[in-house]
Amino acid sequence: GQQLNQSPQSMFIQEGEDVSMNCTSSSIFNTWLWYKQDPGEGPVLLIALYKAGELTSNGRLTAQFGITRKDSFLNISASIPSDVGIYFCAGQESGSRLTFGEGTQLTVNP
Amino acid sequence: NAGVTQTPKFRILKIGQSMTLQCAQDMNHNYMYWYRQDPGMGLKLIYYSVGAGITDKGEVPNGYNVSRSTTEDFPLRLELAAPSQTSVYFCASSYTAVYEQYFGPGTRLTVT
Repeated sequence: GQQLNQSPQSMFIQEGEDVSMNCTSSSIFNTWLWYKQDPGEGPVLLIALYKAGELTSNGRLTAQFGITRKDSFLNISASIPSDVGIYFCAGQESGSRLTFGEGTQLTVNP
Repeated sequence: NAGVTQTPKFRILKIGQSMTLQCAQDMNHNYMYWYRQDPGMGLKLIYYSVGAGITDKGEVPNGYNVSRSTTEDFPLRLELAAPSQTSVYFCASSYTAVYEQYFGPGTRLTVT
């Protein structure tokens, strides 16, 4: 089946720092999605990407659909304490189901 | 819209007991999904449905059953609970297979 490698597994940063995380796939994907999960809650969709090279922002969050269609990146600028949570990437091959990465646990120290 | 709702929020089962996890969505989505999330792990697909009356297995279907009699509801049934089924269960829905999935708040299940 499809393999998604998400890195890093965890990050500990200071408030105000920028954050970068990424996902790579063994397959070519048509869709990349980024979700955030707060403790005790379900994942919430942050950004959806549908075209290779696409760069989309949602406030301080920016995500990119890699040119090779096998990777995607999420950047968070000027982190704040409420950015704490687990960030998941998810990718979808044509005609296949969504595959989720293992998640990046983000901790922001005030 | 309430979005995706799940009940119960928490449940403790004894080994061998059965239960049904409820999921409903009011967004008129065709696709519905059940995932489980083990501690520190990502989401594993258990079952999914592309519309009323149609269901299919996901990555980890053993020990579970589903039904989809209406567009709105997609219950997940555990017949003989086992400790390996201790997990957090999320229901999700989407308009089409290639569209974004929206998740419920989850059901935390412990089997002892």
